[in-house]
Amino acid sequence: EVQLVESGGGSVQPGGSLTLSCAASGFTFTNHWMVWVRQGPGKGLVWVSRIKSDGAITTYADSVKGRFTVSRDNAKNILYLQMNSLRVEDTAVYYCARESISEDFDYWGQGTLVTVSS
Amino acid sequence: EIVLTQSPDFQSVAPKERVTITCRASQTIGSSLHWYQQKPGQSPKLLVRYASQSFSGAPSRFSGSGSGTDFTLTIKSLEAEDAATYYCHQSGSLPFTFGGGTKVEIK
Repeated sequence: EVQLVESGGGSVQPGGSLTLSCAASGFTFTNHWMVWVRQGPGKGLVWVSRIKSDGAITTYADSVKGRFTVSRDNAKNILYLQMNSLRVEDTAVYYCARESISEDFDYWGQGTLVTVSS
Repeated sequence: EIVLTQSPDFQSVAPKERVTITCRASQTIGSSLHWYQQKPGQSPKLLVRYASQSFSGAPSRFSGSGSGTDFTLTIKSLEAEDAATYYCHQSGSLPFTFGGGTKVEIK
């Protein structure tokens, strides 16, 4: 059974940093691109970042470029999102998801809440 | 960036009725359009990939159609458990984008 479990969310002041983790199991992690998607309170889904199966290629939404860094540890089957210079507008539930060969997101974690507030 | 416009934003439908949700892309994306269902307090779930391919485990009453810029998600006969928000998502070009969502309420 495919499982994705996020952790690391919490409350932080504007300008602060946070690192999210996503532990993957039940599939061959090294075969899949992985993504982060976020959802602000009462808002829709927004794609944040994407990383290739071997970690060699990363892509970001303009809204987080230069502030967020996606990475992965293929030996531990863990996906990360390091978030720096956090802004109030980064407040959201952050989901990790597996990207299929069709470039859809076929499995999602339960999400972790990040709150940026002074 | 490709903008996806969903309509309607909200729909109240009686059980067993047919539901149609549309998603229009600002540029052609071939069939690189996927549909998700999100129930309150839950993470999204994939329903349809590549415009019309049902995802394993999705109920057969859900189907998708379209190509290019115009796409449709259809729920053949609405059930109470289908109360949710539905999102389209394009992977035709980066950045990946989502539609604004369509909330379906059971009348």
